Amino acid sequence: AQSVTQLGSHVSVSEGALVLLRCNYSSSVPPYLFWYVQYPNQGLQLLLKYTSAATLVKGINGFEAEFKKSETSFHLTKPSAHMRDAAEYFCADPSGSARQLTFGSGTQLTVLP
Amino acid sequence: EPEVTQTPSHQVTQMGQEVILRCVPISNHLYFYWYRQILGQKVEFLVSFYNNEISEKSEIFDDQFSVERPDGSNFTLKIRSTKLEDSAMYFCASLRASNQPQHFGDGTRLSIL
Repeated sequence: AQSVTQLGSHVSVSEGALVLLRCNYSSSVPPYLFWYVQYPNQGLQLLLKYTSAATLVKGINGFEAEFKKSETSFHLTKPSAHMRDAAEYFCADPSGSARQLTFGSGTQLTVLP
Repeated sequence: EPEVTQTPSHQVTQMGQEVILRCVPISNHLYFYWYRQILGQKVEFLVSFYNNEISEKSEIFDDQFSVERPDGSNFTLKIRSTKLEDSAMYFCASLRASNQPQHFGDGTRLSIL
């Protein structure tokens, strides 16, 4: 069964610092992969998607992620954190038989002033 | 941009009562999903629905749960006899094509007393 692992349930960075949120997948076939963001008391919003067209994917709000098949990773980065980036971030693998998403456990990002 | 809408945003119900959560997926989407997120935990898949039938369900989706698409727009999740452990955020999602990301509603917070 596919699984997605997010290392680090909580990440704190200073405003302006680099953001790195880690995600590793275990699907046996080259997957589509997504990053979703959940702001407090809101639903899940798509941040970016990997669909095999390019290994470096740019998303909204200045985020990007690089798909590395050799490392089975899809880490999310942003060069300079902003206070509004404070949220929970989920990596998701749609490799289920009905394209259902398998989510990682989430990473809560805190941005310090 | 079209959105997935869910009602109500918050539902409080006595244990043992039936509850129906409602969702209006994006109009030209073909695949429909329910997920839940227990407080502090990751988002878990419940059920997928395609072509007017369940296409996949998880172990969580037992006989107490059912889904329906009674007309061309609504997609409902019914819990027949609620338990305390059903308290969670329930998200509806829809998908147009299998290589696209799912679009999520803002969720219904279900509180069982």
